[in-house]
Amino acid sequence: GAGVSQTPSNKVTEKGKYVELRCDPISGHTALYWYRQSLGQGPEFLIYFQGTGAADDSGLPNDRFFAVRPEGSVSTLKIQRTERGDSAVYLCASSRLGSGTPRNTGELFFGEGSRLTVL
Amino acid sequence: SQQGEEDPQALSIQEGENATMNCSYKTSINNLQWYRQNSGRGLVHLILIRSNEREKHSGRLRVTLDTSKKSSSLLITASRAADTASYFCVAGQNNAGNMLTFGGGTRLMVKP
Repeated sequence: GAGVSQTPSNKVTEKGKYVELRCDPISGHTALYWYRQSLGQGPEFLIYFQGTGAADDSGLPNDRFFAVRPEGSVSTLKIQRTERGDSAVYLCASSRLGSGTPRNTGELFFGEGSRLTVL
Repeated sequence: SQQGEEDPQALSIQEGENATMNCSYKTSINNLQWYRQNSGRGLVHLILIRSNEREKHSGRLRVTLDTSKKSSSLLITASRAADTASYFCVAGQNNAGNMLTFGGGTRLMVKP
């Protein structure tokens, strides 16, 4: 597609359940980011992929959160044993190239987000 | 990471007026970017200014960058009701994996 696609757009689940959120980046974008945004706050960095590998996962709040990008394109954010505090909009963004390259503008292209509600 | 901090947190103006938002960051940067977010939707990139640039224009947007003060400003001229949104600045570091950390944003309301 033309832009970053995230599914589902909305997810309601019960406390303790497992959730997967999917991100389809723009074709050819090697860098992929996951952010979490609570109401009235700015996006909070979770994890950054360069290709297939997680270049920085320092933003993941705890070991219930995990993300993969096995083929360097689609990424899945996985949340185990969900808690009410996990309720937020989860944003995915992609960027054309990684760091240290002269052609990299650093511009991020965001999806519309997946709104997670944990009851 | 380079966190941008926006000021003010909220701004309310009349249509036709200019809106100015400020941003501060902490250490050296490669570029500074401004994004816009309509309520409940994804962020949209507005403009990027590189560390060796002082001012940049794009349509009704004017961005300035003062690396000595580690600050930037976004000016929206002749505002419209459709400019109502949250605006975020992000300082980008070329050798930091391009990880961008956002501040809390400025919530702009333009009254018709």
